[in-house]
Amino acid sequence: DTAVSQTPKYLVTQMGNDKSIKCEQNLGHDTMYWYKQDSKKFLKIMFSYNNKELIINETVPNRFSPKSPDKAHLNLHINSLELGDSAVYFCASSQDSGASGRKFFGPGTRLTVL
Amino acid sequence: SQQGEEDPQALSIQEGENATMNCSYKTSINNLQWYRQNSGRGLVHLILIRSNEREKHSGRLRVTLDTSKKSSSLLITASRAADTASYFCATDTGTASKLTFGTGTRLQVTL
Repeated sequence: DTAVSQTPKYLVTQMGNDKSIKCEQNLGHDTMYWYKQDSKKFLKIMFSYNNKELIINETVPNRFSPKSPDKAHLNLHINSLELGDSAVYFCASSQDSGASGRKFFGPGTRLTVL
Repeated sequence: SQQGEEDPQALSIQEGENATMNCSYKTSINNLQWYRQNSGRGLVHLILIRSNEREKHSGRLRVTLDTSKKSSSLLITASRAADTASYFCATDTGTASKLTFGTGTRLQVTL
C-alpha cells in the first residue's frame, strides 16, 4: 500500500549506458514530479507532469526524457549516462498543480555511474 | 537558482532540548513547507504555512513565517532521538506548484 513507489532502489551502471527509473503513485493524484538530489543533499526539480502533460521542464539535458503513460505513472529515461548524473532521484506526486502544495515523495533511486 | 537557505547547516542537541532551524528565501511565495528526510529515505511532509499566516502548530512542531523578512523558522520542542534527520524548507511560488528546496539542516539528537 505504498503511496509513491520507485524502482529500482539502487542502480549502478557504466558511463554511456541508457537506463530507466519507474515511478508509480496510488494516491489518485493528478501531478507527478522528478527531483534530483546531489551529493550535497541539494534537491532540484527536473520535471513535472499534470494529467500526463508536461508542465515543468527545468534546464535538464535532452538525455533525460520523462514519460507518463497514465497519470499514475511517471518514468524517467536517461540516455548516454555521464558521471555527473550520479545522484538520488526522487519521484513525487501532489493532488493538483496549484499552490495547495503538499508533495508525497517516493523512497528515491540512488544512481551511480561508473 | 536556489530559493531557500537554511541555517544552521548542522545542529546537534540532546534529547529533550528544543531545536530551531531557520530558512530564508528570495522571492514572493504562496506557501512555505517543511519536510523531513531520514537517512537514505524520501522526504516526508511536515507542515505547510501559507503566505497570509504567521504561525502554525502541529504536535511538537511550530513554524513561523515572516514574509517581510522572507524567512521562516521550524521549532521542534522536546526533541527525541527519532527526530534525527535532515530538515528542508521548500517554497511554493505558485508556478505550476514547483517547490524549490533549501539546503537543509542536519539535526542530530543524542540520548
